[in-house]
Amino acid sequence: DGGITQSPKYLFRKEGQNVTLSCEQNLNHDAMYWYRQDPGQGLRLIYYSQIVNDFQKGDIAEGYSVSREKKESFPLTVTSAQKNPTAFYLCASSMTGGAPDGYTFGSGTRLTVV
Amino acid sequence: GQQVMQIPQYQHVQEGEDFTTYCNSSTTLSNIQWYKQRPGGHPVFLIQLVKSGEVKKQKRLTFQFGEAKKNSSLHITATQTTDVGTYFCAGGAGGTSYGKLTFGQGTILTVHP
Repeated sequence: DGGITQSPKYLFRKEGQNVTLSCEQNLNHDAMYWYRQDPGQGLRLIYYSQIVNDFQKGDIAEGYSVSREKKESFPLTVTSAQKNPTAFYLCASSMTGGAPDGYTFGSGTRLTVV
Repeated sequence: GQQVMQIPQYQHVQEGEDFTTYCNSSTTLSNIQWYKQRPGGHPVFLIQLVKSGEVKKQKRLTFQFGEAKKNSSLHITATQTTDVGTYFCAGGAGGTSYGKLTFGQGTILTVHP
């Protein structure tokens, strides 16, 4: 079955620690995205990548970093510079050419920083 | 940058009533997509609209794209408890941002049996 896998589902970290969220897809999609979801604010774009070894900042990239060394993988690191990291993080992928079949989302990682 | 506003933020209906959510963009869109997120779940793609004035139907759901390609709506006829969830619109800007979507804040639909 093709899909997109995020791990872990829940993550707890102490303030000041960096943490990396995993996102893997076997859909052969070229484009991958990271969104953050907070109550009442919808989905806000953190980073996106349209091809391997290339990525662009989204609307709220400060305090986050990504890499795209393989087509299948797009990990997100939440650094200690992120002021309010507690949130629900969603990874998505799509075909290039405008995502005509929409984004496929992973099941998300809920990060809690204490 | 591009902004996509969605209203209402919340909607409570009795089962069998109709429901509509509206989406407005600050800029002209190349396309608009709609997603549904069930409570505790992740967004799932419903449909894409591309043409000015386009109307598409999926059973009880009707999607419209405005003539100016700056607004869209989703209408559900005779809601059912299975319609519960958050409905998001997402606009595409085209050009060098081809494939990148800006999501609205979502409308949380509650259906009372």
